[in-house]
Amino acid sequence: KQEVTQIPAALSVPEGENLVLNCSFTDSAIYNLQWFRQDPGKGLTSLLLIQSSQREQTSGRLNASLDKSSGRSTLYIAASQPGDSATYLCAVVLGQGNLIFGKGTKLSVKP
Amino acid sequence: EAQVTQNPRYLITVTGKKLTVTCSQNMNHEYMSWYRQDPGLGLRQIYYSMNVEVTDKGDVPEGYKVSRKEKRNFPLILESPSPNQTSLYFCASSSTGGSTGYTFGSGTRLTVV
Repeated sequence: KQEVTQIPAALSVPEGENLVLNCSFTDSAIYNLQWFRQDPGKGLTSLLLIQSSQREQTSGRLNASLDKSSGRSTLYIAASQPGDSATYLCAVVLGQGNLIFGKGTKLSVKP
Repeated sequence: EAQVTQNPRYLITVTGKKLTVTCSQNMNHEYMSWYRQDPGLGLRQIYYSMNVEVTDKGDVPEGYKVSRKEKRNFPLILESPSPNQTSLYFCASSSTGGSTGYTFGSGTRLTVV
């Protein structure tokens, strides 16, 4: 059964730092991988989608990479800002369309 | 605007009183699903539907029902809610196989007393 793990569970950094969030999955037979952001008590906002044939995707200060063979993805956030504080969720899409989530990394960026 | 709309956003109900949470998408997506989110347990799939009249159980289907009579709508039905169904619920949709990524609704916070 596919399992998705995110490390660390929580992270606190000073403003301006570059940081990396990690996501690992146990079965490399994924269709694609999607990173989301969730603010407390709110919905999920899609950040980046990486197709299984791609290695990375970029949007502004965010860069996500995917290594299917090793079962890993990373989300890189450049020049972090207090507004980046949120929980970041990694999810893999299986062949039939099911989405399996990690438990997230709670990020706090201190001014 | 492309979106998934859930209603209501907040709901407090009593044990045993049937309720329905509605979900509608305007993107002509084939795939729709329901998740619940609980502290420490993350997001878990309740039911999903790959197209009209096709539904299947996710990881935690007990106590829930769904229907997919129209492509755009996928309501979640709690026939006899219990306190352990107190949770934050999300509906999501995607094109077939999730190739364009998933879009989530804003969530429904349900409290069963």
